[in-house]
Amino acid sequence: AQSVAQPEDQVNVAEGNPLTVKCTYSVSGNPYLFWYVQYPNRGLQFLLKYITGDNLVKGSYGFEAEFNKSQTSFHLKKPSALVSDSALYFCAVRDHTGKLIFGQGTTLQVKP
Amino acid sequence: NAGVTQTPKFRVLKTGQSMTLLCAQDMNHEYMYWYRQDPGMGLRLIHYSVGEGTTAKGEVPDGYNVSRLKKQNFLLGLESAAPSQTSVYFCASLSRGPLKRSGYTFGSGTRLTVV
Repeated sequence: AQSVAQPEDQVNVAEGNPLTVKCTYSVSGNPYLFWYVQYPNRGLQFLLKYITGDNLVKGSYGFEAEFNKSQTSFHLKKPSALVSDSALYFCAVRDHTGKLIFGQGTTLQVKP
Repeated sequence: NAGVTQTPKFRVLKTGQSMTLLCAQDMNHEYMYWYRQDPGMGLRLIHYSVGEGTTAKGEVPDGYNVSRLKKQNFLLGLESAAPSQTSVYFCASLSRGPLKRSGYTFGSGTRLTVV
């Protein structure tokens, strides 16, 4: 069965510092991986996706993610965090039938 | 170009009442999905549809029914609401084209409380 794990319920970072939100996956075949962000009382906004190609994927709002096949990871990163980046972040993998399977989410708190 | 529209945005139901949540998309997407979001559990798939007239069960289908009579609409029904169905419900759609050139589009959600 395909699955996604986000090992941290919450990540705390000081503004201006680099941030990492972790995601590991388990799939059969080639993984299609996604990151979404959810601000309070809002829907999900697409950040970036990995389908094929370069292992470093660049996305919206200065975020990027590194696909690591040997470690089955797809960690979300940003070189310099902003207070406005504080939100709930979801990693997801697309299974072979087209369904998105989500991790449980990680709350990012960026403090001034 | 509205994308994915969910109605209603908020609803309070009494236990045992029924209701229908509507998801409408104007992007001519083939695939549509209903998820529920609960704290600490991420989003879990309730039902999905790969085309007009077809539906399938997801991870947590019990207590819900769906219909896709028109390509642009995907309805989620609760026949007899229970407090365990208190949640935020999200609809999403996806085109059939190559995933490199497409993505999932989510609605803004419906917050349902069953008392």
